[in-house]
Formats: sequence, structure tokens, C-alpha cells
Amino acid sequence: QQQVKQSPQSLIVQKGGISIINCAYENTAFDYFPWYQQFPGKGPALLIAIRPDVSEKKEGRFTISFNKSAKQFSLHIMDSQPGDSATYFCAASLYGGAQKLVFGQGTRLTINP
Amino acid sequence: SQTIHQWPATLVQPVGSPLSLECTVEGTSNPNLYWYRQAAGRGLQLLFYSVGIGQISSEVPQNLSASRPQDRQFILSSKKLLLSDSGFYLCAWSVGQAEDTQYFGPGTRLTVL
Repeated sequence: QQQVKQSPQSLIVQKGGISIINCAYENTAFDYFPWYQQFPGKGPALLIAIRPDVSEKKEGRFTISFNKSAKQFSLHIMDSQPGDSATYFCAASLYGGAQKLVFGQGTRLTINP
Repeated sequence: SQTIHQWPATLVQPVGSPLSLECTVEGTSNPNLYWYRQAAGRGLQLLFYSVGIGQISSEVPQNLSASRPQDRQFILSSKKLLLSDSGFYLCAWSVGQAEDTQYFGPGTRLTVL
């Protein structure tokens, strides 16, 4: 029940296209859903995050869509660029004095020029 | 501005040897601190978190332990390393609220032979 399932495992998109990564969760007590971007050999960095009372959040080319009833959320990267090539992780957290993040397995995104 | 340091950056250790990884944060007070492990090609798994000096919570039973001897110092240790302890170890910090961004350090690549 603590798992977050992420798909696809890898994704190849042409430059200028839309990249879509999906995540699903079981625990309805999760109350915060961030997306992290990680480049090889580096620590992850927060990209965008959403709370379950909002169905969509957009920041620049990045959009989170959230479907509370389906317990699913997704990341859309518009006008994908080669610099977006990285591994993306969705996560969900329960807050109990500390933010305990449960991560998905990750999606390796490659943007072809 | 806040900065998080981890050392060493890489480490190769024999099975059965001890381990000590250090994480320090600059530019903030009383942060929440976290240790994660990332196995090759997989997501991050929360190992320990701390909301204050001497306060350590363990998320998964394992061969590792953590300590927080100072406000902005977090140490990950083992008395005897196992092959399965190999991975990328990441320290993170947040300011202690439900929707905090967790800021990750550069990580330590540990190989146990």
C-alpha cells in the first residue's frame, strides 16, 4: 500500500514533442506529490509538485495532472528539449513530523534532437 | 543560501568492513534530515530521517544505522558491510513542513566487494 508505481521505465521522444510519464498510488493518505529530475551521478532536484485538492498544476513547460479518484498522476513535458534528457521520479509523501517520500521506480527520458 | 555536502563522493569497501558516510548542511537551522539509498536503475528508498539532534527514525530494517550528533550533521554507519549495501547514498534536508522541498546532496557511490 506504500508503493508508487511509475511507467514507462524508459521513454524516447523527438525534440519538440510531448513527454508523458504516469504514476499510480494506493495509499489515499498521501497528501503531497512531487516530481524529481535526476541527471547521471547527481542528486535529484525538485521539478514540480501538487497537492490532491488540485487537478492540474503548470510551471513553464512542465504540467502535473492529478486524478484523485483514479489515484493517478502524470507529468507532461511540452516542447521537449535535449536538455530534458534525464531520469524522472514521481513520489508521494505522508507527513508525520517529517516528509517521508515514497518514490516510483523512475523513467529514463531521452529526447532525440 | 543553503548548501548540502556529502563525503566521500565514491567509496569502495570490502565485505565486512565498517562504513561512515557524512552529510552536513549549511545556511539553515534545525532542518529535517534524511538518508536515502538508490540501487542501480531503481528509485530512492528512505532509510532514516531525523527531526532533531539525537532523534533518528528508521524506515527499513537493515545493516545500517544513523546518527545526528550536531544540528546540521547526519552520519550513516555500518559495523560490517554486506554486498547488498552497495548503492548510491543520498542525504537530503528540508525545513520541516508538510509541503517542503527536499533538497538532495550530491550523493556517495558505495561499492562493496
